[in-house]
Amino acid sequence: DAGITQSPRHKVTETGTPVTLRCHQTENHRYMYWYRQDPGHGLRLIHYSYGVKDTDKGEVSDGYSVSRSKTEDFLLTLESATSSQTSVYFCAISERDSDSGELFFGEGSRLTVL
Amino acid sequence: KNEVEQSPQNLTAQEGEFITINCSYSVGISALHWLQQHPGGGIVSLFMLSSGKKKHGRLIATINIQEKHSSLHITASHPRDSAVYICALQRQWEGVRDMRFGAGTRLTVKP
Repeated sequence: DAGITQSPRHKVTETGTPVTLRCHQTENHRYMYWYRQDPGHGLRLIHYSYGVKDTDKGEVSDGYSVSRSKTEDFLLTLESATSSQTSVYFCAISERDSDSGELFFGEGSRLTVL
Repeated sequence: KNEVEQSPQNLTAQEGEFITINCSYSVGISALHWLQQHPGGGIVSLFMLSSGKKKHGRLIATINIQEKHSSLHITASHPRDSAVYICALQRQWEGVRDMRFGAGTRLTVKP
């Protein structure tokens, strides 16, 4: 199994509070991704990173920011959580972002915003 | 119309049955992935296909590029196969970041 750790695994918070989710990898893969998973929807990309300090927006980036100060860590921050951000968040890593790349996922972080 | 459509959405089977999950898509692709997600768990990659067929244990994945269709088969199903199975596309000339995911098929195998 790819070495990907997400923390926290479960969090309940209140509307308006900041939340940070952490993804840590031990594979030294260049590319890291944050997805959210909601009922009735496929996984949707929030942000991704193609190297230290190099990040870009995905399909559903509004309300989220990310940072990557080290190869192994990719942080997802909700500056002011809203109930619409209640979801399960998955981090993923890949050696390549090309059409032959393969994704490896973390265990997920379940966030509930009350 | 979604680029990736999976059927059925939900599937209940008895232990030992042969199971088929379908994935249809509408764009050119470079690869199709089948993923497995156990309840409350992470997501695991089962197969990555660009043509033909792949087999791993009791799982078989096939793809027909001309018909834009892929199937995941499980032979001699077991309760531990109960999970959500997700089809994901890598579109032609695009990278992993542009992967498109189906909504998933929830499989329940009863003993």
